[in-house]
Amino acid sequence: KNEVEQSPQNLTAQEGEFITINCSYSVGISALHWLQQHPGGGIVSLFMLSSGKKKHGRLIATINIQEKHSSLHITASHPRDSAVYICAVRGGGATNKLIFGTGTLLAVQP
Amino acid sequence: DGGITQSPKYLFRKEGQNVTLSCEQNLNHDAMYWYRQDPGQGLRLIYYSQIVNDFQKGDIAEGYSVSREKKESFPLTVTSAQKNPTAFYLCASARQDSNEQFFGPGTRLTVL
Repeated sequence: KNEVEQSPQNLTAQEGEFITINCSYSVGISALHWLQQHPGGGIVSLFMLSSGKKKHGRLIATINIQEKHSSLHITASHPRDSAVYICAVRGGGATNKLIFGTGTLLAVQP
Repeated sequence: DGGITQSPKYLFRKEGQNVTLSCEQNLNHDAMYWYRQDPGQGLRLIYYSQIVNDFQKGDIAEGYSVSREKKESFPLTVTSAQKNPTAFYLCASARQDSNEQFFGPGTRLTVL
């Protein structure tokens, strides 16, 4: 079993739909990251969370430390949101090492 | 512009040849990382460096080597000892006091 599990692996939505991507982890963490990877491969950091909730534009990320679970929500989805969304956790220690989920491939159709 | 550059974007090599992937950053970050991405798998850490002239093996270091002679540069050499070198390679950097890593655009290596 992977230390970081994401669901679903693939998601197809219609433009305008509300989208939720889930991330569960089994290790103690100091922070959780949501990343976006577009076709072509470059990765952009969306959020870094250690508790509660963060919002940026149409994106919302939440984390429940007790349940070891995080969700990424996209409101009013748009075709340009189509990408792979990756959850990564940072464990303890000083190395800043991340453990990555396998990603969720999102396709938003017009 | 500040950022991380990786070159080239696509790289083809014959089996048995060593190849070096470039990673440069002008963010003044102390820490740098190399990851490998394969289909259906999460990114896996190959090597990391927290300071110039020092680096540590990650989870899948076999068949790879790195150097960190300058703060800005962290080249990765894929040697002929790496059994399955075809993959997408990502470089990242971070400040020592931050949890956030910044990623380069990646290099897709294909060994023929």
